[in-house]
Amino acid sequence: ILNVEQSPQSLHVQEGDSTNFTCSFPSSNFYALHWYRWETAKSPEALFVMTLNGDEKKKGRISATLNTKEGYSYLYIKGSQPEDSATYLCAFLAGSARQLTFGSGTQLTVLP
Amino acid sequence: GAVVSQHPSRVICKSGTSVKIECRSLDFQATTMFWYRQFPKQSLMLMATSNEGSKATYEQGVEKDKFLINHASLTLSTLTVTSAHPEDSSFYICSARPWDTEAFFGQGTRLTVV
Repeated sequence: ILNVEQSPQSLHVQEGDSTNFTCSFPSSNFYALHWYRWETAKSPEALFVMTLNGDEKKKGRISATLNTKEGYSYLYIKGSQPEDSATYLCAFLAGSARQLTFGSGTQLTVLP
Repeated sequence: GAVVSQHPSRVICKSGTSVKIECRSLDFQATTMFWYRQFPKQSLMLMATSNEGSKATYEQGVEKDKFLINHASLTLSTLTVTSAHPEDSSFYICSARPWDTEAFFGQGTRLTVV
């Protein structure tokens, strides 16, 4: 069983604050690490697919980094807005697998 | 991106009845689809991998006779919860990775067994 952990479990921040969450995953047999945003009453949507150690990806105010050797990824949100409120999931893909293993998510609430 | 449509979004059924959940790929062909279940405050747990034209691959601990999966066409996979009981109440969601990159998800189905 692959262990993918996310922290914190939930987070409340004020509008305009910057924030970050952590995803830890196995450091062996790595193929890819995914980040998804899951808004209430919607389907999860992909933010990033990261494959290379040291990768840093950015989409607007959201960015992510990847360290495959130590098995962690950070997701950063700069200047949080209420519309950023969602659950953020990371998912690990092992080299030998077709299916993703998900963390339990970080639930972000941005207060106006 | 790809569009996955899941139906119904919410269902309430009586204990002992069966419920069918459909997952359709609208703009791509899906030879493989994944079915997940989510318990409150927990992660998406893979139940099974649905393979078009062949048997599904079930994860350890998932009863294949309880959760019947059919993937008879390249655009439709179904999950049937047979003889449902209250402990089967949960959130079920399907996904596909058509280009071996990110996953595309259905809207999910909230099942309540009373």
